[in-house]
Amino acid sequence: EAQVTQNPRYLITVTGKKLTVTCSQNMNHEYMSWYRQDPGLGLRQIYYSMNVEVTDKGDVPEGYKVSRKEKRNFPLILESPSPNQTSLYFCASSTTTIIMNTEAFFGQGTRLTVV
Amino acid sequence: QQPVQSPQAVILREGEDAVINCSSSKALYSVHWYRQKHGEAPVFLMILLKGGEQKGHEKISASFNEKKQQSSLYLTASQLSYSGTYFCGTYTGNQFYFGTGTSLTVIP
Repeated sequence: EAQVTQNPRYLITVTGKKLTVTCSQNMNHEYMSWYRQDPGLGLRQIYYSMNVEVTDKGDVPEGYKVSRKEKRNFPLILESPSPNQTSLYFCASSTTTIIMNTEAFFGQGTRLTVV
Repeated sequence: QQPVQSPQAVILREGEDAVINCSSSKALYSVHWYRQKHGEAPVFLMILLKGGEQKGHEKISASFNEKKQQSSLYLTASQLSYSGTYFCGTYTGNQFYFGTGTSLTVIP
């Protein structure tokens, strides 16, 4: 079954404690991205990757890191989480990188709370 | 660069129609439409490509006017299951931007 798998689904952590949210897709997609969703602000892109070893900042990259060492995996790293990073996070992947004419597949979401 | 959607929110009775608009300030290659239920992942509805193509998905259809950089989503004879937040998505350069979202509530 084609899918994007995110883990964990829920996470409560304390300020400053490094954490990683994993994202894996089994569709051989080149393009992967991370979004955060906050009430009233919609989905905002954090980072995206057009292929292995190619990553770039989205609109809200501060406080986040990513890596793309393998095509299927695109982890999101919060080196020192702060309460303003409390949010609902989604990973997404798709095939085309040039004109984006194929649908994006989303992970189930990770609800992160930083206290 | 985030596309602007209108209206922000709409409430319908079952069987009524609705139109959701998406407008971008940038030239568009394509427009995506997604629906999201509260707390869940967005679900793909359709993609429209350059050429003013209109696509349909059951009672949901959409149009794309590339000259005006606008797209509209048409929901006809709405059902309770149509409730959710609708997002358009546009690709500009290497980045994919979701619209501001439209909350749609269908009541009996």
